[in-house]
Order: sequence, then structure tokens, then C-alpha cells
Amino acid sequence: DAMVIQNPRYQVTQFGKPVTLSCSQTLNHNVMYWYQQKSSQAPKLLFHYYDKDFNNEADTPDNFQSRRPNTSFCFLDIRSPGLGDAAMYLCATSRDRGGPEYETQYFGPGTRLLVL
Amino acid sequence: AQTVTQSQPEMSVQEAETVTLSCTYDTSENNYYLFWYKQPPSRQMILVIRQEAYKQQNATENRFSVNFQKAAKSFSLKISDSQLGDTAMYFCASTSGGSNYKLTFGKGTLLTVNP
Repeated sequence: DAMVIQNPRYQVTQFGKPVTLSCSQTLNHNVMYWYQQKSSQAPKLLFHYYDKDFNNEADTPDNFQSRRPNTSFCFLDIRSPGLGDAAMYLCATSRDRGGPEYETQYFGPGTRLLVL
Repeated sequence: AQTVTQSQPEMSVQEAETVTLSCTYDTSENNYYLFWYKQPPSRQMILVIRQEAYKQQNATENRFSVNFQKAAKSFSLKISDSQLGDTAMYFCASTSGGSNYKLTFGKGTLLTVNP
């Protein structure tokens, strides 16, 4: 089945130690998104890629970076994690522009990040 | 900018009964889409149902249906014949059509289905 895959499902890192979360998709979707979701809150969009074009949200801290080396993969890099960065990180994809079926987002299972 | 409001932080329903989750939104766009997503405890967020703003007919997906009132900017979700597996956080969300990809979420409603 086509899907959005996130690895690892759980990640433990130390305060200040860089960490990378990965997302892959077999849907061949053009758009990929990274969200941060804290406990009992709605997901918060960090940034998205439309193909190779990177789009950062205005309030995303500089500590968060992303890479998309090809259509299938997208990475979230946290350069110096703080305690406040502990959260669930969700990757999502959508097919393209132009219509609801294209812009519907499909989510991966998430990576729960713990910062010690 | 779009805003989405879910006024019910928590709800509960007995198994096999019907429950309605409320959602209101505000947008200046003419063309937009509305979604309900379900996030079970410690599990993946999945799409429940989608509504296109230019369609007057309410969307339905099996036991799930919406009441879309465009003038009132209301988009409620009705779950019929509730099942234990419906226990989840439900997020209402909207996005505008065209080049704006941003999905604006409400704060969510935690639904518990009781046996």
C-alpha cells in the first residue's frame, strides 16, 4: 500500500545534540510537510516543500531545518534541541495543486522526540 | 488568514448512538476545502471526510457525514452508530484552494465512545 513512513517512531536525544528525523513516501506526491504537535494540541506547520521549493513558516525557529534530496524523502534537522522541542513530529504529503483531491494531506505515523 | 474553531474540547457518546462535533471557520477565500481528521491515541492521523466549499451537497463517508452551512461558516461532523474504534481526537481543518497549501487546524475535540 502507498503510504507515508516515518523513522524512527521514537527518538531520544540530548539537550543540544543535533538530531535528524526522516520521512519517506511511496505516494509520489509533489508536496511534503513537517508539523510539530505538542501534547493535546493541534499540529503546527513548520515548513513544506513544493517539489524542490522550500517554504518556511514565518514563526519556525532557525533551529529547525529541512532537506528534500528527492521526491520520496524529506528530513527534519533540529540543530540544537531544547527541552521545548520535545514533541511529536508529523510528516504529511499532498499530491499537487489544483483541487481538493490534490491538496488533501496524508500523514505519517509521526516520530515522538524526547529531549533529555 | 483562516481560523478554525472547535468549541468542544471533549465529548463522549454511548456505543451505537449518534454524536455531532462542531466546527466553525473564518476565511476570506471564495474557494476553500474543509476536512475532518481523526487521530486515535498514539496512532496515525487519518482523513475522515472532505468537503469542497463550492459544493452545496454535504459530504458523506459511510457512518460519517457533515453539515456544511456556508453562510454560517459552520462545518459539523456527525458520526452515526458510534463504535469503540471511533474514540480519537478529531481535528477540523481548512485550506484555501490554489497556491496556499497551509492546512489550518482547530484545537481538536477528544471523543470517547463508551461501551
